[in-house]
Amino acid sequence: DIVVTQSPDSLAVSLGERATINCKSSQSVLSSSNNKDYVAWYQQKPGQPPKLLVYWASTRESGVPDRFSGSGSGTDFTLTISSLQAEDVAVYYCHQYYTIPWTFGQGTKVGIK
Amino acid sequence: EVQLVESGGGLVQPGGSLRLSCAASGFTFGSYWMNWVRQAPGKGLEWVANVKQDESEKHYVASVKGRFTISRDNAKNTLYLQMNSLRAEDTAVYYCARTMITLTKFASDVWGQGTMVSVSS
Repeated sequence: DIVVTQSPDSLAVSLGERATINCKSSQSVLSSSNNKDYVAWYQQKPGQPPKLLVYWASTRESGVPDRFSGSGSGTDFTLTISSLQAEDVAVYYCHQYYTIPWTFGQGTKVGIK
Repeated sequence: EVQLVESGGGLVQPGGSLRLSCAASGFTFGSYWMNWVRQAPGKGLEWVANVKQDESEKHYVASVKGRFTISRDNAKNTLYLQMNSLRAEDTAVYYCARTMITLTKFASDVWGQGTMVSVSS
């Protein structure tokens, strides 16, 4: 199974500042057939289901604010919130869907400093 | 409105069974892979199972193989999860999610609100 590890487990950022979450997979999730990385990022607020932010490592889902961006390839990925807003307080999950079983990182809790 | 609504959760004793349902609306259910993902109280997300549009492929996480069965009824726009031999560690909120697979998108983009399953004596 592919193990997905996020860092840090939690972080606190001042409003308007940048938040960066890292994700590492235990093996490459880059498909040679289409040159796509099978990594998605989700945001989850308390009592709510996960919300898709980014798929294929860097493609922003429709309707997601452009302050959210994904980057990386192979085994190392990053979710960046360029200017943290109060409504961004949540847990963020990295997810690989390259190989069954699909797996998630342990989550990163983002709060306000 | 695109929507997924889970039902069927509840309290069950260890070794018992439960069947979850997920009713889809607002999209062509039969055109999508469908998934179950669970979240134990205070914990992270765990993918459980998925099923192809025509049920020709089904996949499971190792911890539920042989105990859980995913199925779907495209005529009723409904996804199911039959859970047998339940254990305490199956206690979780169970979400259903659709996966869109096209040339321009591959993502689990719509999720239900979840249904709680508690396994306890």
